[in-house]
Amino acid sequence: DIVMTQTPLSLSVTPGQPASISCKSSQSLLYSEAETYLYWYLQKPGQSPQLLIYGVSKRVSGVSDRFSGSGSGTDFTLKISRVEAEDVGVYYCMQSIQLPPTFGGGTKVEIK
Amino acid sequence: EVQLVESGGVVVQPGGSLRLSCAASGFTFDDYTMHWVRQAPGMGLEWVSLISWDGYITYYANSVKGRFTISKDNSKNSLYLQMNSLRSEDTALYYCAKGENKYVAGGPDSWGQGTLVTVSS
Repeated sequence: DIVMTQTPLSLSVTPGQPASISCKSSQSLLYSEAETYLYWYLQKPGQSPQLLIYGVSKRVSGVSDRFSGSGSGTDFTLKISRVEAEDVGVYYCMQSIQLPPTFGGGTKVEIK
Repeated sequence: EVQLVESGGVVVQPGGSLRLSCAASGFTFDDYTMHWVRQAPGMGLEWVSLISWDGYITYYANSVKGRFTISKDNSKNSLYLQMNSLRSEDTALYYCAKGENKYVAGGPDSWGQGTLVTVSS
């Protein structure tokens, strides 16, 4: 199985400041030039996960442009340009290029 | 709007069986792969199983293989998870999730609210 390693485990961020979460996979997630099956989800407190980013960098409709995804191969990053109170929760990366799909362990983001 | 409503979660004894259901609406159900994902109390997300749009391809996490069976009824827009030989470590909130597309490589893009399964004597 592909292992997804997220760092850091937790982040405490001052509102308005940027935040960055790293996700490293044990194998390349590149499927083709057109597709890399890497996703980012946010699980807000008491809620179900919601998809933020798919295909490494494609933002879901309605997701703030403060969120951006980047990376290739085995190294991926989710960046929040200016953290707001509504961004608190646990962020997960996930790969599905190889079955079984696997999630990272999660990064908890809280506000200072 | 995509809606996924899970049901069937209860308290069950170790070794027991349970069938979870997920009622889907707001999209063409038989055009998408569907997933089950679980979350143990206070823990992260664990993918459990998927089924292709036509039901011909199924896949399971090693932790549930041979004990759980995923199925779907396209005529009822419903997804199911038959859970047998339940163990305490199966205790979790079980989410039904819609795949990004019809391909099994596509990850979940919409999630239900989950149904709680507790395995305890």
